[in-house]
Amino acid sequence: DTEVTQTPKHLVMGMTNKKSLKCEQHMGHRAMYWYKQKAKKPPELMFVYSYEKLSINESVPSRFSPECPNSSLLNLHLHALQPEDSALYLCASSQQGHQPQHFGDGTRLSIL
Amino acid sequence: EDQVTQSPEALRLQEGESSSLNCSYTVSGLRGLFWYRQDPGKGPEFLFTLYSAGEEKEKERLKATLTKKESFLHITAPKPEDSATYLCAVLDSGNTGKLIFGQGTTLQVKP
Repeated sequence: DTEVTQTPKHLVMGMTNKKSLKCEQHMGHRAMYWYKQKAKKPPELMFVYSYEKLSINESVPSRFSPECPNSSLLNLHLHALQPEDSALYLCASSQQGHQPQHFGDGTRLSIL
Repeated sequence: EDQVTQSPEALRLQEGESSSLNCSYTVSGLRGLFWYRQDPGKGPEFLFTLYSAGEEKEKERLKATLTKKESFLHITAPKPEDSATYLCAVLDSGNTGKLIFGQGTTLQVKP
């Protein structure tokens, strides 16, 4: 069992839908991350939140919108996604930027 | 440019056959090298952090070592349950907390 919890585990949505991915950690970590992982590839960083403020946006399209309501929660709002956005979306957290990142098991997203 | 290269891409071992995975890195001022294990359909599981050349970490059948240019993950007498993809990553030189991942080594251990 991981200490970073992601919901839902699977999500199928149409290109016109709006949905949200959720991530929760209770380790007191102050940095949280969103990654995208395609099959047989390593994770690719999307966003970094540090102390609840967005510190890195890796030129991600605006159809992905992150939100950090508090130090334990991280959301990723999805709107008008494309089929190529189908992937495993991973959330991670770390105590500080140079400490190990701990990952959740991800949300498997399929865009129809 | 920060870069991480892992080899081999895939490795098949018989149970009990020890081997090593390689991770070569290029980064300006290493601030941390991390090893992860990833099972299919799961997120990466943290294994080790190494911060300076000469450092070694051990956990069960796994041992990670670090030099100024590369890291090795040694697997001693592997079991089928060690089958997974092993990912190596370094923190970027821009001090942003961003991890630069290698492409991974997929290990299969046959009984």
